[in-house]
Amino acid sequence: AQSVTQLGSHVSVSEGALVLLRCNYSSSVPPYLFWYVQYPNQGLQLLLKYTSAATLVKGINGFEAEFKKSETSFHLTKPSAHMSDAAEYFCAVRASGGYQKVTFGTGTKLQVIP
Amino acid sequence: GAGVSQTPSNKVTEKGKYVELRCDPISGHTALYWYRQSLGQGPEFLIYFQGTGAADDSGLPNDRFFAVRPEGSVSTLKIQRTERGDSAMYLCATQQDRGDNEQFFGPGTRLTVL
Repeated sequence: AQSVTQLGSHVSVSEGALVLLRCNYSSSVPPYLFWYVQYPNQGLQLLLKYTSAATLVKGINGFEAEFKKSETSFHLTKPSAHMSDAAEYFCAVRASGGYQKVTFGTGTKLQVIP
Repeated sequence: GAGVSQTPSNKVTEKGKYVELRCDPISGHTALYWYRQSLGQGPEFLIYFQGTGAADDSGLPNDRFFAVRPEGSVSTLKIQRTERGDSAMYLCATQQDRGDNEQFFGPGTRLTVL
């Protein structure tokens, strides 16, 4: 079985500051990992994904995440926060290979302070 | 259309009533998922279709919930004898094929049971 834990349900950063959203995963098999963003009253949009290629993954809107097997982590970062980054972010995991159910974390709401 | 669409966007019903929620997938996507997202939580898996058949319905909470996809395209999630605890955002996601990595989400249907 797979699971993810997102540390911090709410994170506040100043505009222009570093964004760091934490995600730790648990998986009995090699995982695929994802970060999604959700704006109010909208569906989820994929930011980036790790599927066992490069451990540093670059996504849309300047976000990136690094897969660290030794730490079972997949933290999301962005060097400089923008007001438009304010949203809820979900980390998700699935086992690799064929059809596998995706399990989502409980989300982290990012607030960007001007 | 270009993306996954869900109708209605909002549904308010009374306890005990029957509701149907519709999902129109991206053309050509064979895999379709339903998720339920309660307030402050991440999406929770309900059911997965590969083509017309429900390949995994292990997430359906009880027998009041049922979903169909008769022609392998549009899917309908049906909830009988609704309860207040069914109030949530219901999200549909589709995927090009069973082994693909990215799910594309619709905007969701917000169900409120009074």
